[in-house]
Amino acid sequence: EVQMVQSGAEMKKPGESLRISCKVSGYTFTNNWITWVRQMPGKGLEWMGRIDPSDSYTNYSPSFEGHVTISVDKPRTTAYLQWSSLKASDSAMYYCARNALDGSGSFFLDSWGQGTLVTVSS
Amino acid sequence: SSELTQDPAVSVALGQTVTIACQGDILSGYYASWYQQKPGQAPLLVIYGQNSRPSGIPDRFSGSRSGNTAYLTITGARAEDEADYYCKSRDGSGSPPLYVFGPGTKVSVL
Repeated sequence: EVQMVQSGAEMKKPGESLRISCKVSGYTFTNNWITWVRQMPGKGLEWMGRIDPSDSYTNYSPSFEGHVTISVDKPRTTAYLQWSSLKASDSAMYYCARNALDGSGSFFLDSWGQGTLVTVSS
Repeated sequence: SSELTQDPAVSVALGQTVTIACQGDILSGYYASWYQQKPGQAPLLVIYGQNSRPSGIPDRFSGSRSGNTAYLTITGARAEDEADYYCKSRDGSGSPPLYVFGPGTKVSVL
């Protein structure tokens, strides 16, 4: 059974750094890209970026590039999302999800973590 | 970049059929996938590819495409289908591929 277990809720101050995690199990970690998705309070889903765990290649939405970093630790089968300097506007729920390929060359997200709530407030 | 558009909200009577649309130029070449999200829960994949359902998703959920519009149909809606539904597809045909979600449709079951 595929499982994606995210780290717990975080409360931080503006300017602080943060790394949240997504521990996966139940499949070969390097076989599937992992995507991070943001959901701000009361709002929709936003695609942030994704990583290929086999070689750590990443691509980011222009809306997030330069502000977050996605990485993996292969031996720990864990993906990470990190910020070096948080802003209040980073307060949101963050989800990791496993990518799978459909027949048209597009990826869909077939398994999701439970979400990590990040609150940034002074 | 591409954009996906969805109606903000639709309602359906219990047991009836509802179809949700997701429109975007990119959908003429790539499939959309569909996600159900209930309050306080993570999104759940319900439809992917041409019209495929993950294991455990009831067959009352189906997908289709016509031109640049993808559709999610719930046939015989049940109370537990009340949720937000998001489509997702590629954001343009460039490289590396980026992805985008539609704004979501809130489905109310009356």
